[in-house]
Amino acid sequence: KNQVEQSPQSLIILEGKNCTLQCNYTVSPFSNLRWYKQDTGRGPVSLTIMTFSENTKSNGRYTATLDADTKQSSLHITASQLSDSASYICVVSARDSSYKLIFGSGTRLLVRP
Amino acid sequence: EAEVAQSPRYKITEKSQAVAFWCDPISGHATLYWYRQILGQGPELLVQFQDESVVDDSQLPKDRFSAERLKGVDSTLKIQPAELGDSAMYLCASRLDRLVSSYNEQFFGPGTRLTVL
Repeated sequence: KNQVEQSPQSLIILEGKNCTLQCNYTVSPFSNLRWYKQDTGRGPVSLTIMTFSENTKSNGRYTATLDADTKQSSLHITASQLSDSASYICVVSARDSSYKLIFGSGTRLLVRP
Repeated sequence: EAEVAQSPRYKITEKSQAVAFWCDPISGHATLYWYRQILGQGPELLVQFQDESVVDDSQLPKDRFSAERLKGVDSTLKIQPAELGDSAMYLCASRLDRLVSSYNEQFFGPGTRLTVL
């Protein structure tokens, strides 16, 4: 069964600190992996998207990594800001007839001053 | 900057009533999606349109949910009758092209928060 698991479920850090969010997937055959940021009460916004051949991608203070062999991804946030408080959702697309997106449950991040 | 528009943003209704949500995708986007997101979970696909045609509604509870995209532009999702378990965020997303193999980005709207009492 195609699944995406994220950890931790929630995380609290102090402003200015770094953090890393984890994503493990069992989607096969793999097409691409995306990280979305979802502010409370808003729709998800794309941060990064990586295909099989890419193992790292950055978007400002956000850096995503992908290990297609171990089927793991991480999202590293550097020098966190209060505005980083949100849910971060890992999404994997299967390379099948539908290319349906399979969503993780998200990690809820709270950045405190 | 072009955005996916949704209305209403919030809806409170009593169970057994009918509700409808509207979505206007980014202009020119061929593919439109409706998702349901329960609090603390990731979105789950309800229905996918390509232009005016439904290409995937396998997870849509068809006894009470219906969706249409008559002219291949904006779309309406309806629930009749609403049940307590339908309380969730309903998200609309659109994508530019028709090629399922492309990883053209899906752009999400702000969502409609439904509360069924």
